[in-house]
Amino acid sequence: ETGVTQSPTHLIKTRGQQVTLRCSSQSGHNTVSWYQQALGQGPQFIFQYYREEENGRGNFPPRFSGLQFPNYSSELNVNALELDDSALYLCASSPGLAVNEQYFGPGTRLTVT
Amino acid sequence: AQRVTQPEKLLSVFKGAPVELKCNYSYSGSPELFWYVQYSRQRLQLLLRHISRESIKGFTADLNKGETSFHLKKPFAQEEDSAMYYCALSGLGGTSYGKLTFGQGTILTVHP
Repeated sequence: ETGVTQSPTHLIKTRGQQVTLRCSSQSGHNTVSWYQQALGQGPQFIFQYYREEENGRGNFPPRFSGLQFPNYSSELNVNALELDDSALYLCASSPGLAVNEQYFGPGTRLTVT
Repeated sequence: AQRVTQPEKLLSVFKGAPVELKCNYSYSGSPELFWYVQYSRQRLQLLLRHISRESIKGFTADLNKGETSFHLKKPFAQEEDSAMYYCALSGLGGTSYGKLTFGQGTILTVHP
């Protein structure tokens, strides 16, 4: 079992609200990538943080924002929640940018009503 | 734009039968291709990557650049292979390096 953890496990929010999801990277990992997985779909890349700086962003609006802390843990913030934001949010940490060294967390299930 | 297509959402085979999960991709540049697997109640995990050219749990996948395909194969399926399988790609360099584009996934069910 890897050391990537995510919190909370699941939560329910109302349309228009804001939410913060958290990811603790595995020890020694300085890169965190976030993905959104809608029901029945594959994960979709949101953005990546490398050594506290954003290092690439997928096709998501600015109301999706993130942060990486000095200990390399990370947050994903979503403002003005919409029904379509309901999904499983995955984070993956790695010791660098190489994909084959990315380890995924268990995910946070977000439901927007 | 880069894209990964898995044409089969569901695939059922019997134990001992060969299995092939299809994956096609489009990418302008040099991609790195991967197969990920998610067993029931477990995390998404890397199964294999084309660069390593290895066999994992009896699975192999060959990158065919002419057909832009990266099909996953196993000659004799086992019940424990039942899982969700995702094909994914990343750029070998440039801005796509380190970021994965996933297909929609194929649910493989191996019947006894």
